[in-house]
Amino acid sequence: QLQLQASGPGLVNPSETLSLTCSVAGDSISNSNYDSNYYWGWIRQPPGKGLEWIGSFYYGGSTWYNPSLKSRVTISVDTSKNQFSLKLSSVTATDTAVYYCARQPSTTVVKFHFDFWGQGALVTVSS
Amino acid sequence: QSVLTQPPSASGTPGQRVTISCSGSSSNIGTNNVNWYQQLPRTAPKLLIYSNNQRPSGVPDRFSGSKSGTSASLAISGLQSEDEADYYCAAWDDSLYGVFGGGTKLTVL
Repeated sequence: QLQLQASGPGLVNPSETLSLTCSVAGDSISNSNYDSNYYWGWIRQPPGKGLEWIGSFYYGGSTWYNPSLKSRVTISVDTSKNQFSLKLSSVTATDTAVYYCARQPSTTVVKFHFDFWGQGALVTVSS
Repeated sequence: QSVLTQPPSASGTPGQRVTISCSGSSSNIGTNNVNWYQQLPRTAPKLLIYSNNQRPSGVPDRFSGSKSGTSASLAISGLQSEDEADYYCAAWDDSLYGVFGGGTKLTVL
């Protein structure tokens, strides 16, 4: 059974960089046969509010970011640990949210559905 | 303000049929597939419907999805108390980003 787990600091100071890691068990995010890979993504949810897509990547292919966050976001991959990471720079209180990592079971980002989600990691931006 | 528009709330009694709408535009719902998620309190969203009307394994057939033009709907028949949750629609926008609806809180009376 596929499992994803997001982890990282629960408290980040304003203006600093939020860093989260998603550990994946039960599937590989970096198959050598690129046609066997899927997209993987980050989604966030501010307290009491709706879902916001942050970005998705395909190992050996493209990475897509939400235009509203693109200047501050980087998604990277550590294939040796089967993990992918999120970095969001220059954070403010509006970046306080539960951050989810999830699998997008498609080789095309247009098929925008996520079938397995991590449990979510609450990150609070405050001094 | 979400790119996809959903009613903030919906309600029904047990056994009733309820529909939740999702309105978009030609650049998202009009062109691409619509997906629906159910989010129970304090849990991660769960994929309910993908590719407009497909149910993942394990999702009861009480849940169904449809799309027409730039709008989509989620229907829940035989409403049960455990269906009380937040529901979100989602689609890819041809402006090159993924979009979610603002969410609909379903109350089972």
